[in-house]
Amino acid sequence: SQTIHQWPATLVQPVGSPLSLECTVEGTSNPNLYWYRQAAGRGLQLLFYSVGIGQISSEVPQNLSASRPQDRQFILSSKKLLLSDSGFYLCAWSAGIYNEQFFGPGTRLTVL
Amino acid sequence: AQSVTQPDIHITVSEGASLELRCNYSYGATPYLFWYVQSPGQGLQLLLKYFSGDTLVQGIKGFEAEFKRSQSSFNLRKPSVHWSDAAEYFCAVVLNNNDMRFGAGTRLTVKP
Repeated sequence: SQTIHQWPATLVQPVGSPLSLECTVEGTSNPNLYWYRQAAGRGLQLLFYSVGIGQISSEVPQNLSASRPQDRQFILSSKKLLLSDSGFYLCAWSAGIYNEQFFGPGTRLTVL
Repeated sequence: AQSVTQPDIHITVSEGASLELRCNYSYGATPYLFWYVQSPGQGLQLLLKYFSGDTLVQGIKGFEAEFKRSQSSFNLRKPSVHWSDAAEYFCAVVLNNNDMRFGAGTRLTVKP
């Protein structure tokens, strides 16, 4: 069966510090991968998606970036965090664009 | 513009009572529709999905949803709510550009 992992689970970072969140998927090949952000009390905002290694599409311009160095690894990064980057970050995978997405447990990021 | 609307931000029901969560979509083509549930601090879990065929779909945990094209709706129902159903519920639609759009969510509180 397929599983999706995210780490860390919780992160507290100062403003201006770098960020690296990692997501890995097991049990499937060539998944579509997604990064979402969920602000407190709000819905999900799609940040990036990837249909293959090295292929990244950005949905919202901001100081975040994403990379996919391996088939089942998706990384969310920032060189300098802003206060507004605080939130709950969710990684997801799907078998195709019209398939359901399966979500990881999320990372709670607090920028102070 | 394509969108998903969940008109109810917060709903409170008594344990054992029936439940209906509303979802309306605005999308020109045949939609691919989903309902997800999120417990506090957790990722999203898929409850059910509609792609085509029978407009009444059954999901996990005793949930069902009915697709009504004439009303552009995909409401989630459960005949008898359990205390463990208290969570946030999200309706979502997949667009044709690898973009899953989520509603703002409905928070369900279950009274004993």
